[in-house]
Amino acid sequence: KQEVTQIPAALSVPEGENLVLNCSFTDSAIYNLQWFRQDPGKGLTSLLLIQSSQREQTSGRLNASLDKSSGRSTLYIAASQPGDSATYLCAVLGNQFYFGTGTSLTVIP
Amino acid sequence: SQTIHQWPATLVQPVGSPLSLECTVEGTSNPNLYWYRQAAGRGLQLLFYSVGIGQISSEVPQNLSASRPQDRQFILSSKKLLLSDSGFYLCAWSPTSGDGYTFGSGTRLTVV
Repeated sequence: KQEVTQIPAALSVPEGENLVLNCSFTDSAIYNLQWFRQDPGKGLTSLLLIQSSQREQTSGRLNASLDKSSGRSTLYIAASQPGDSATYLCAVLGNQFYFGTGTSLTVIP
Repeated sequence: SQTIHQWPATLVQPVGSPLSLECTVEGTSNPNLYWYRQAAGRGLQLLFYSVGIGQISSEVPQNLSASRPQDRQFILSSKKLLLSDSGFYLCAWSPTSGDGYTFGSGTRLTVV
């Protein structure tokens, strides 16, 4: 069974800092990987979708990479802002969608 | 463009009462539909998924059931709620290819 792990579970950084969130998965036979953002009490907002044949995707200050062979993905956030504070979840699509438990990010003004 | 609607946003129900949460998708045909539950401080748990009208797969044994009466409508139900049914329920859809999930805004259910 696919297992998705996100480290760290929580992260606190000062505003303006660049940061990296990590996601690892145990089964490399995936179709794609998706990063989500979840604000407290809200649904999930899709940030980036990386197909299994791709190495990275970029959207604004966000860059997600995928190394399928090593079972890893990273989400890079440049010049962090207080509005980036949220929980970030990665999910991989194999025979079904598997979620990590998320990284809670706090950006301190 | 495709949109997903989920309601109600919050719900407080007494133990033993029935439940009906509704989710609808617009702008696409034959979507895969999903119900997830997120308990406090825990990850997302897949409850049900559907690849077509009347086709429901259950991932975990539970007090809940799901139905898909129309192509773009997915309903989560219970005949008698338990305290342990409290949580945050999320509906999602994906294309048949599974190429990216889109989530609804969620329903916060509190069973008292």
